[in-house]
Parts: sequence; structure tokens; C-alpha cells
Amino acid sequence: DTGVSQDPRHKITKRGQNVTFRCDPISEHNRLYWYRQTLGQGPEFLTYFQNEAQLEKSRLLSDRFSAERPKGSFSTLEIQRTEQGDSAMYLCASSPTGTPNEKLFFGSGTQLSVL
Amino acid sequence: AQSVTQPDIHITVSEGASLELRCNYSYGATPYLFWYVQSPGQGLQLLLKYFSGDTLVQGIKGFEAEFKRSQSSFNLRKPSVHWSDAAEYFCAVGTGGGNKLTFGTGTQLKVEL
Repeated sequence: DTGVSQDPRHKITKRGQNVTFRCDPISEHNRLYWYRQTLGQGPEFLTYFQNEAQLEKSRLLSDRFSAERPKGSFSTLEIQRTEQGDSAMYLCASSPTGTPNEKLFFGSGTQLSVL
Repeated sequence: AQSVTQPDIHITVSEGASLELRCNYSYGATPYLFWYVQSPGQGLQLLLKYFSGDTLVQGIKGFEAEFKRSQSSFNLRKPSVHWSDAAEYFCAVGTGGGNKLTFGTGTQLKVEL
């Protein structure tokens, strides 16, 4: 169990650029979640996958955001035409099956700064 | 829609003192309730959870929480705080499907030596 890993840890970009983050969940975890956390706030749900299927997307996830999990293992989150309001910590989490009382395992996050 | 309120943004306690962090939730059905802790540069770690049954739940690191349906509360407690407990604490409620969590805004705990 190597934990959930996210890459990169930090990303600084200019407004209007595209960025992509990667998340590697714990091996054999079927569920994968993306959350966003801004300063002084708790994490906010963005989207989740059951294997390769994206089952739900929050209204927070505008058309500029896209997430994939092509082989049911790692996932990518892409933000196109970044805006300063996208600056946040992007957290990935995974869980074995997704039952309601199941523990989520979180990565350390990717801190995005949009200048 | 579900929501979580953590009324205390910052709390400072002395090492060895007792601790209580407040959490109130709003959810129409029986909630799944969680407490997570986040240290700088670290991912969120689950302290404990309430699903059903005994309303007093024990967690890791000596933490416990009590579910009170009548007060819509799930307060976190620890009898004696250690300096290593300094971190940010998040209460969360889970919906019945998908294990999607709604988090509170967090309470930053400072421990004075």
C-alpha cells in the first residue's frame, strides 16, 4: 500500500494556459474522487469514477474542466484556459468499493497557482 | 442538500488540556459522519466515522466523537491534547450513494506547550 500519489505537488501557470494533474490511486481501488480546496475552506467535491466510468460531476466542474480515468487506474484532471479563480489545492482520493461508510484515502494534493 | 457547519475557525488549547471541536450537520436522512485531520503538506486522514449503532465512536490517536441526533451534532473530543495534534480538523457528512463527502470549513487547532 503506497498510498494515493499526486503529481505535480505544485503548479504555477499563467492565466489562459492549460494544466493537467495526475492521480495514482491505491492499487485495486475501484473508486476515485477529485476534490478542490481553497484557502480557508473545506474540500469541495468535483467528480468521481467507478473504475473507468465517470459517474457524477459537480456543478463546480465547468466546461473548462475535464477528468478521465481511461484504464480504471490513474486519473487526470485537465483545466483549460485557466483563470485566477482556479487557484486552489486539487485533492484526489480513492476507496475500495464506494460503499457509503467507507474510508477515503487522500493524496497530498496538487497546489495550483494561476498568475 | 446536506451541509456541515464548524463554528470555530481557530481553537487554541494547552498541551494536556481537553479538547472539543464542534460540528453541526444538516441532512434529511440518517447521516454518515466523519472527522478527518489535515496536517501541512499531508493528505486528509480519517480519525473516525459514524455509520449506525453506538452513538459514541472511538477513533485513532485517542479521539472520540458523539452523535446526537436531537442536536444534529457530531462533536469531536480528546481528553488530553498532545502537541502533535496541532492540525486542521474537518467534519464531513456522506450521502447515501457514491460516498461523496460534504465537508465543513474546518477548525484550525493550535496547541500551546
